[in-house]
Amino acid sequence: QVQLVQSGSEVRKPGASVKVSCKASGYRFTRFAMNWVRQAPGQGLEWMGCFNPNTGNATYAQGFTGRFVFSLDTSVTTAYLQISSLKAEDTAMYYCARSPSVRYYGMDVWGQGTTVTVS
Amino acid sequence: DIQMTQSPSSLSASVGDRVTITCRASQTISNYLNWYQQKPGKAPKFLIDVVSNLQSGVPSRFSGSGSGTDFTLTISSLQPEDFATYYCQQSYSTPSTFGQGTKLEIK
Repeated sequence: QVQLVQSGSEVRKPGASVKVSCKASGYRFTRFAMNWVRQAPGQGLEWMGCFNPNTGNATYAQGFTGRFVFSLDTSVTTAYLQISSLKAEDTAMYYCARSPSVRYYGMDVWGQGTTVTVS
Repeated sequence: DIQMTQSPSSLSASVGDRVTITCRASQTISNYLNWYQQKPGKAPKFLIDVVSNLQSGVPSRFSGSGSGTDFTLTISSLQPEDFATYYCQQSYSTPSTFGQGTKLEIK
């Protein structure tokens, strides 16, 4: 079945880096964009951006430029979110979610989420 | 960026009630409006896309309507499993944006 399985919880100190993975299975990996969504504790959903496997381009929402990097490794059907120079305010649940394209479509399959704690 | 505003932010209702959640966009988004349901400790679940298209497996008591800037999610007869937080999202332009969420609680 179609699924996205994310890597486990991470705890980092301020200033460190973290890389979250999102392993896709059950569908043709390169036919869908991969979105990243942040949810701070007790807060709502925030779209961070997405990676378009067809163009190799990443789109970042304001507030997620510079320290945040999306990437894909098509050989292992895995998407990655790397966050550098971590700050306490990066503490959140991070979700990957696929969509048929960067625009117009919703996100139909979601990973289970990865908790990143910066302390 | 397009701002999405949901109302109410929270709502208390009883099993069997009909409830409506409103989502307003700061500019027209055509029909590129999606709805998600999130239960505590779980990933969001995709309910509806392009305003009113129910995803496979979503009960027919859920429905969506609207166009342009004003949209609604209606649950015709609340069931115990429907108590959750609901988010709208516009996918018309990047950055995509979510509403702040509507928490539906049991009265």
